[in-house]
Amino acid sequence: RKEVEQDPGPFNVPEGATVAFNCTYSNSASQSFFWYRQDCRKEPKLLMSVYSSGNEDGRFTAQLNRASQYISLLIRDSKLSDSATYLCVVNENDYKLSFGAGTTVTVRA
Amino acid sequence: EAGVAQSPRYKIIEKRQSVAFWCNPISGHATLYWYQQILGQGPKLLIQFQNNGVVDDSQLPKDRFSAERLKGVDSTLKIQPAKLEDSAVYLCASSPGQGGGETQYFGPGTRLLVL
Repeated sequence: RKEVEQDPGPFNVPEGATVAFNCTYSNSASQSFFWYRQDCRKEPKLLMSVYSSGNEDGRFTAQLNRASQYISLLIRDSKLSDSATYLCVVNENDYKLSFGAGTTVTVRA
Repeated sequence: EAGVAQSPRYKIIEKRQSVAFWCNPISGHATLYWYQQILGQGPKLLIQFQNNGVVDDSQLPKDRFSAERLKGVDSTLKIQPAKLEDSAVYLCASSPGQGGGETQYFGPGTRLLVL
């Protein structure tokens, strides 16, 4: 079983729509969770950390469900510039991060 | 602040040849990572250094891959000999402390094609 699993998508949504997707992780002892964004042929960049109580950053909302071992990302009022691959990242132990394969989102005009 | 630098950006070689990649992390960052990202997959950690010591190299194919960070600053990753399945983007990242829950800052990557 993979450490971090994501629905690869693609999620094709019109501008202004809301899109949400999840990621599941296998290690119940994982402590830290993140969403990274990766544009086509570019390097990953941190989008946001995910806190136990859930957190928002503008149009982006992240949630953590420890009992079911999943995290989610919701994007409101989608922009064309939100088109990217979103990588779910889990801190496996004190030093190691594990990356999911990514969920591709395409926002169309 | 300068980001993580990598070179070369692109490399095409034939199988069984050797290749080396270079990474210069953000100044002052203690931890340096090398990842392999195959098309359609997430980055897979190959090796993690803290200063000039290896923290994790459990997924490094040691029969053909080697990496060093001799002075605790820049690093090289070598493949010898290369196989077709090594075609991927090799990403270098760095973080200020000992890793784990820290933000990792990635370089632009080296795209390797093995023919």
